[in-house]
Amino acid sequence: DAGVTQSPTHLIKTRGQHVTLRCSPISGHKSVSWYQQVLGQGPQFIFQYYEKEERGRGNFPDRFSARQFPNYSSELNVNALLLGDSALYLCASSLGQDHTEAFFGQGTRLTVV
Amino acid sequence: DQQVKQNSPSLSVQEGRISILNCDYTNSMFDYFLWYKKYPAEGPTFLISISSIKDKNEDGRFTVFLNKSAKHLSLHIVPSQPGDSAVYFCAAPYNFNKFYFGSGTKLNVKP
Repeated sequence: DAGVTQSPTHLIKTRGQHVTLRCSPISGHKSVSWYQQVLGQGPQFIFQYYEKEERGRGNFPDRFSARQFPNYSSELNVNALLLGDSALYLCASSLGQDHTEAFFGQGTRLTVV
Repeated sequence: DQQVKQNSPSLSVQEGRISILNCDYTNSMFDYFLWYKKYPAEGPTFLISISSIKDKNEDGRFTVFLNKSAKHLSLHIVPSQPGDSAVYFCAAPYNFNKFYFGSGTKLNVKP
């Protein structure tokens, strides 16, 4: 069985650009969450989507947005990129909204130059 | 707001000895804790968890201890193996929909 898959694995963008990151959850999982991990820190919660609705949002600016599709895959969009957005972006999927059994993808390494 | 803290950024132990990784939390509403292990270029993988109704949970070489009064938990790995070398994150789920993570402890097990 495929685990959580994220694409792309690495990405380099210029300040001010826009980026879209993609996540496919484990088959049957209906919840997707996004985390940002800056070097030297633990992952920080950005969003949770369950059944295609936003169920939680962390302390991130409105430049960050996400959505979940009918097949439960998800996209994270970041507009007007800043150097500080450089990080590993992790997607986690879980069966239900309860986040206690979450499985993580390998992440997308975003570098903003 | 750092609700989950790991104050040791790194730990080095000899193969075969015990590794003890520590985690502190501030929010008394947390009632479940997890440890994740992360290798470079991979996502975190679940290692072991503990509910607040317990003070100990064991799984093979891994044991997690919870001291609710001190708001402290620890992960014991015994015996430590070189393949255990990774970054370990302590995490607490909150509101059913998100984790608070500590900043991680990088464990190096020397052969």
